[in-house]
Amino acid sequence: DAEITQSPRHKITETGRQVTLACHQTWNHNNMFWYRQDLGHGLRLIHYSYGVHDTNKGEVSDGYSVSRSNTEDLPLTLESAASSQTSVYFCASRRGLGTDTQYFGPGTRLTVL
Amino acid sequence: AQTVTQSQPEMSVQEAETVTLSCTYDTSESDYYLFWYKQPPSRQMILVIRQEAYKQQNATENRFSVNFQKAAKSFSLKISDSQLGDAAMYFCAYRSNFGNEKLTFGTGTRLTIIP
Repeated sequence: DAEITQSPRHKITETGRQVTLACHQTWNHNNMFWYRQDLGHGLRLIHYSYGVHDTNKGEVSDGYSVSRSNTEDLPLTLESAASSQTSVYFCASRRGLGTDTQYFGPGTRLTVL
Repeated sequence: AQTVTQSQPEMSVQEAETVTLSCTYDTSESDYYLFWYKQPPSRQMILVIRQEAYKQQNATENRFSVNFQKAAKSFSLKISDSQLGDAAMYFCAYRSNFGNEKLTFGTGTRLTIIP
């Protein structure tokens, strides 16, 4: 079955380190998204991509970057991790335009000490 | 900017009973989509139900149904015959149909099922 996976599921890192969270989907969806989930805020959009080599900033993009070199993967990089980036991160994908729904990965819990 | 408000941080219901979760939203657009997602302890975000704003008929998925009131900008979720497996956080979400992929989420309602 097609699916969307994230790795690692849990990560502990130190302030200032570079961290990359992986997201892989096998649906061949064009659109992919990264969200962070914090108490009291629901999910907030970090970055999104409409296809290979396309990336766009979401509402909380500072300190994060993404790159899209193929359809299946959208890695999220924290260039210099900060304690404020401790959160649960979700990747999602959607086939394209129209009424298609975003489907979410299982999430990555990141702790920055 | 669109906003989504869930005014009930926590709700509880007896098993087999019916519960309604509230959601209101604010937008100036006429064409959009609304969603309810369920997040169980496993943290996976699972789509429960979807409503297109241009459809007047309320969406239904088995025991889950919505009451969509476009003029009032209200989108409540009704869960009938509640089951223990329904216990989770429920998030209401909005998406514009005008080329903006952003899903705007509410802050969630934690639903507890009482055996």
